[in-house]
Amino acid sequence: GESVGLHLPTLSVQEGDNSIINCAYSNSASDYFIWYKQESGKGPQFIIDIRSNMDKRQGQRVTVLLNKTVKHLSLQIAATQPGDSAVYFCAENPLSGGYNKLIFGAGTRLAVHP
Amino acid sequence: DGGITQSPKYLFRKEGQNVTLSCEQNLNHDAMYWYRQDPGQGLRLIYYSQIVNDFQKGDIAEGYSVSREKKESFPLTVTSAQKNPTAFYLCASSAGQPQHFGDGTRLSIL
Repeated sequence: GESVGLHLPTLSVQEGDNSIINCAYSNSASDYFIWYKQESGKGPQFIIDIRSNMDKRQGQRVTVLLNKTVKHLSLQIAATQPGDSAVYFCAENPLSGGYNKLIFGAGTRLAVHP
Repeated sequence: DGGITQSPKYLFRKEGQNVTLSCEQNLNHDAMYWYRQDPGQGLRLIYYSQIVNDFQKGDIAEGYSVSREKKESFPLTVTSAQKNPTAFYLCASSAGQPQHFGDGTRLSIL
């Protein structure tokens, strides 16, 4: 498989527990935020996104929270399953980009144990 | 099925050689992007194209070139000027947000 994420921070959880992955973003003017999941040897897969005029958005088993005061983004995964094991990336779209630019974080590895 | 196809999945380059990575999409997206991914790091933008026959440099364009002659295709050439080409290369496309990714090409040096 891919060597992506060899030196990433790792979050280890038990199957069935809730997971919280955190991300600090850099640009206070960013207006769009997104979470991707990347499995070994694959491209990033869209999970959920949120615009800066919201502070919470829910999907199926996932919730994204945005705290603009401290420039913090989190991804909550409910009832974590073995299939959730992957590297998770947050990304932001700074308004100054002038187009649909995304700036990616370094990623967090999620390891789900039975 | 609609999606983004990158080929080849693995590619090897000799010293002084240019190689071209293919990216094709059938999502009818105007915008396409190339990213580089190194171990332990996030994705970094190489080039992007918002429309056919137009493209701009991203954050790490040196040693790379692209073309956008067709809406569906955005090939990336890794030139001999790129001194550290070993990486995982990802192509994406979008109609606004979010960006959708292919499954990447792993480039290695022989």
